[in-house]
Amino acid sequence: GQNIDQPTEMTATEGAIVQINCTYQTSGFNGLFWYQQHAGEAPTFLSYNVLDGLEEKGRFSSFLSRSKGYSYLLLKELQMKDSASYLCAVRMNRDDKIIFGKGTRLHILP
Amino acid sequence: GAGVSQSPRYKVAKRGQDVALRCDPISGHVSLFWYQQALGQGPEFLTYFQNEAQLDKSGLPSDRFFAERPEGSVSTLKIQRTQQEDSAVYLCASSPRQGGNVLTFGAGSRLTVL
Repeated sequence: GQNIDQPTEMTATEGAIVQINCTYQTSGFNGLFWYQQHAGEAPTFLSYNVLDGLEEKGRFSSFLSRSKGYSYLLLKELQMKDSASYLCAVRMNRDDKIIFGKGTRLHILP
Repeated sequence: GAGVSQSPRYKVAKRGQDVALRCDPISGHVSLFWYQQALGQGPEFLTYFQNEAQLDKSGLPSDRFFAERPEGSVSTLKIQRTQQEDSAVYLCASSPRQGGNVLTFGAGSRLTVL
């Protein structure tokens, strides 16, 4: 079956850095996504990786290692508004469905 | 439209009732996905369309669930004889092309079955 694992909850302090890990085991792979979801709201796109390496976008960076089935989302200079769930998702084939992990709830402390 | 629009935003149904949830994707978007999200969980894949063709419906939990997109634009997710375990938020997402990278989600339809 398909499996995407990420920690259930994490806590970090305002201004700090946090890394959210995601491991996946899927029958195919054609890209990994990170989405942010605030409570009661729709998920919003953060990043997309299809090749190995680091993609940086402002305070957020995402890393992918296809050989290890591993990704992480790095959030720098944390702000209170970053308190949300972070969803890791994989597209299994070029035209195929996108499946999500259960999400990591990130709590930011002042 | 400017975004993905879903209606109704909230629906309360008695067990055994049929419900229909509507999704109006971004104009011109080819791909449309339905997900079910229980409280505190990630979105679970239900089904997806390329234009009017339903390419994958492997995530539909039972034959009580049915989705259609007859003209390749608006989609409807129908749930017959609702059960309490159907209570969840139903999210619709669209993307501009086949295999497109970014899914844009609607705000969801929250279904509560009593």
